[in-house]
Amino acid sequence: QVQLVESGGGLVKPGGSLRLSCAASGFTFSDYYMSWIRQSPRRGLEWVSYISTSGNTRYYADSVKGRFTISRDNARKSLFLQMDSLRAEDTAVYYCARALTTGWYRTTGAWGQGTLVTVSS
Amino acid sequence: QSALTQPPSASGSPGQSVTISCTGTSSDVGASNYVSWYQQYPGKAPKLMIYEVSKRPSGVPDRFSGSKSGNSASLTVSGLQAEDEADYYCSSYAGSNNLAVFGGGTKLTVL
Repeated sequence: QVQLVESGGGLVKPGGSLRLSCAASGFTFSDYYMSWIRQSPRRGLEWVSYISTSGNTRYYADSVKGRFTISRDNARKSLFLQMDSLRAEDTAVYYCARALTTGWYRTTGAWGQGTLVTVSS
Repeated sequence: QSALTQPPSASGSPGQSVTISCTGTSSDVGASNYVSWYQQYPGKAPKLMIYEVSKRPSGVPDRFSGSKSGNSASLTVSGLQAEDEADYYCSSYAGSNNLAVFGGGTKLTVL
């Protein structure tokens, strides 16, 4: 079955950096668009970024544009999120997510268990 | 503040039906056939319950159904069971530059 396992979360100071990873299994990773979605008590669920199957197309929410970078390694079946210039409002549980179907990303069909990122001094 | 508006809470007794609403705009829910609903238990990841307004993924009971009218969508849970007590979130595709918008969530309580 589909499995998405995130890692890399933790406590970081404002202005700092963190790199999240997501290991995928149970499906052909290279066939699916992937995304990062975060959830916090203050902001609720919020889409962060998504990436095409080849990695050539990437989109970001305005709230993270210019600070976060999404990437993928299809050979290693892994998704990444490089987070720089972190702010307190980036504090959230970050979920690795997969599109429901191959082709264009329209619906999130699977989620990882999440990794907590806390930005605080 | 979430892009889509949901009631913060809903409740019903076992066996009853409950409907949760989700109100957006003509730019998201009103313009999209890609409205989905997620169930989330405390401390767990969301789970897809309804996609493309009214379709159910394999394994989701047919007690769960979805619909849409104009800028609003709805999730109906029929024959409520104790295990249905959870948070429910709606989501809508909002264009390639803004993949998904979400509702603020509705806590469903089975009395």
